[in-house]
Amino acid sequence: SQTIHQWPATLVQPVGSPLSLECTVEGTSNPNLYWYRQAAGRGLQLLFYSVGIGQISSEVPQNLSASRPQDRQFILSSKKLLLSDSGFYLCAWSVRASWSDEQFFGPGTRLTVL
Amino acid sequence: GQNIDQPTEMTATEGAIVQINCTYQTSGFNGLFWYQQHAGEAPTFLSYNVLDGLEEKGRFSSFLSRSKGYSYLLLKELQMKDSASYLCALPWIYNTDKLIFGTGTRLQVFP
Repeated sequence: SQTIHQWPATLVQPVGSPLSLECTVEGTSNPNLYWYRQAAGRGLQLLFYSVGIGQISSEVPQNLSASRPQDRQFILSSKKLLLSDSGFYLCAWSVRASWSDEQFFGPGTRLTVL
Repeated sequence: GQNIDQPTEMTATEGAIVQINCTYQTSGFNGLFWYQQHAGEAPTFLSYNVLDGLEEKGRFSSFLSRSKGYSYLLLKELQMKDSASYLCALPWIYNTDKLIFGTGTRLQVFP
């Protein structure tokens, strides 16, 4: 069966500090991978998605970046965090080229920037 | 473009039936998803509709009318654990790898 892991579960970081969130998927190959952010009381905002190693599509301009160094690893990074980066970050995967299949979400990372 | 509209909040009583509506505008249609998200947790898949009509899964049913740009999620025999946000989502018309999510409907079930 497939599983998706995210860490850390919670993170408190000062403004201006770097960020690295990691997501790994097990039990599937060539997945589509996604990073979402959900601000308090808001909907899911797609930040990045990837259809393969080294292939990253950025959805919104921001000070975040993403990388996919391995097929089942997706990393969200920032060089300098802003207060507005606080939120609930969710990684998800789906079967490639199959829009009728659902996305499976990881447990999320709650980031607080102070 | 695409747009999804859902009520922000709803309340209901344990044991009752509640209908959560989702209206959408899209120039191309590739199905509609419903997800459930408990507070502080990840969304989980509930249903996918691509054809008109009602699909039932236990206490949950999802309805779609493509001509009206309308879907609803019907929850029967409500339980306290059904208190959650319910998200309506559409595959993006230009790239179906992506989902466009509504802002979600927060349902509170009271005893």
